[in-house]
Amino acid sequence: AQSVSQHNHHVILSEAASLELGCNYSYGGTVNLFWYVQYPGQHLQLLLKYFSGDPLVKGIKGFEAEFIKSKFSFNLRKPSVQWSDTAEYFCAVSTSGTYKYIFGTGTRLKVLA
Amino acid sequence: SAVISQKPSRDICQRGTSLTIQCQVDSQVTMMFWYRQQPGQSLTLIATANQGSEATYESGFVIDKFPISRPNLTFSTLTVSNMSPEDSSIYLCSVDGGAGYTFGSGTRLTVV
Repeated sequence: AQSVSQHNHHVILSEAASLELGCNYSYGGTVNLFWYVQYPGQHLQLLLKYFSGDPLVKGIKGFEAEFIKSKFSFNLRKPSVQWSDTAEYFCAVSTSGTYKYIFGTGTRLKVLA
Repeated sequence: SAVISQKPSRDICQRGTSLTIQCQVDSQVTMMFWYRQQPGQSLTLIATANQGSEATYESGFVIDKFPISRPNLTFSTLTVSNMSPEDSSIYLCSVDGGAGYTFGSGTRLTVV
């Protein structure tokens, strides 16, 4: 069965530190990849997505993610985090031609001011 | 992207009762999706609601427990029936705009 793994469940960083959140999926075919963010008290928002083309995807608020097909990974990065990045981050995968998303268990990021 | 209004935002319910969650989208969409997010866990798809046909349920979810209505292309309801404390979760509706899901704000349900 397809699955998505986010290995870091809780991450605590100081402001200006660099961030990398891991996401690995298990599926051998064509995939669409997503990162969602949920700020405290708010609903899930799309941070960035990859469908095809350049494997380095840039999203909102300075986030980027790199799709590495050989590693089945789609890690999220930000060179310098801010206190306002405190949120929960979810990686999601859908297989090409389907509408179903499979979500990872999420990573809670806390940025200390 | 679509804007989704979901209500109620939260509720505390007695076991054995039912709660209906409403989801309104500001544009017409073919499919609407209902997810559950249990405490400390990821989002799990409950069912897909298609206008004019029966909802399609995922493994582990049944219509008797989670009846869904989809009367038109902008509205859907999910009912959580005969609730038990295990149903305490966040329930979310979402739509696929073609470039990723848009989610409602969620309904935080606590069953006591």
